[in-house]
Amino acid sequence: SQQGEEDPQALSIQEGENATMNCSYKTSINNLQWYRQNSGRGLVHLILIRSNEREKHSGRLRVTLDTSKKSSSLLITASRAADTASYFCATEGDSGYSTLTFGKGTMLLVSP
Amino acid sequence: NAGVTQTPKFQVLKTGQSMTLQCAQDMNHEYMSWYRQDPGMGLRLIHYSVGAGITDQGEVPNGYNVSRSTTEDFPLRLLSAAPSQTSVYFCASSYQGGSDYGYTFGSGTRLTVV
Repeated sequence: SQQGEEDPQALSIQEGENATMNCSYKTSINNLQWYRQNSGRGLVHLILIRSNEREKHSGRLRVTLDTSKKSSSLLITASRAADTASYFCATEGDSGYSTLTFGKGTMLLVSP
Repeated sequence: NAGVTQTPKFQVLKTGQSMTLQCAQDMNHEYMSWYRQDPGMGLRLIHYSVGAGITDQGEVPNGYNVSRSTTEDFPLRLLSAAPSQTSVYFCASSYQGGSDYGYTFGSGTRLTVV
């Protein structure tokens, strides 16, 4: 079953605007990761936040994690047309051998 | 180039045929896994391995077999292809324990079963 659920399913913005995507999950986690997928390509790892962290930055990316609400958000600042892609959150469990469970993704369209 | 290599990139099978999707990584990652991606379903875990000789089932293992004889290779076998196995298949690898580098994905195999 899907662990993460992204919101919104699709997002359309103009270049220069900020894009915010949200992710909710159901069970205890070791970490939460965000990935980008360009159309027809493999997934690319963007950022990982551990369960004991609340916020993390990487370039134009900002990720927050609220384990009490079992939710995370990904903020992309000053979006560019090249940011157009699908974005997935994925959680790694905290028991036994870890596996990565993905949500259904958010499709982001950034128009010039 | 370091990374995950999947072959073939595209494949068309007839119902009932068998085939093996290849996956190789050169990063000495302990953990390897296979996912399938269907429209509107995200990625679902088929099988995974935490090291040579150790494999386990994921969320959707039926109709697929795996083995891990070496650290580098993790082939996925379709035993008797069915139209429901039409999908895009991704192989991924990582260091065990959630390193900050996350998982490295291959570029995928687009499989059509007719």
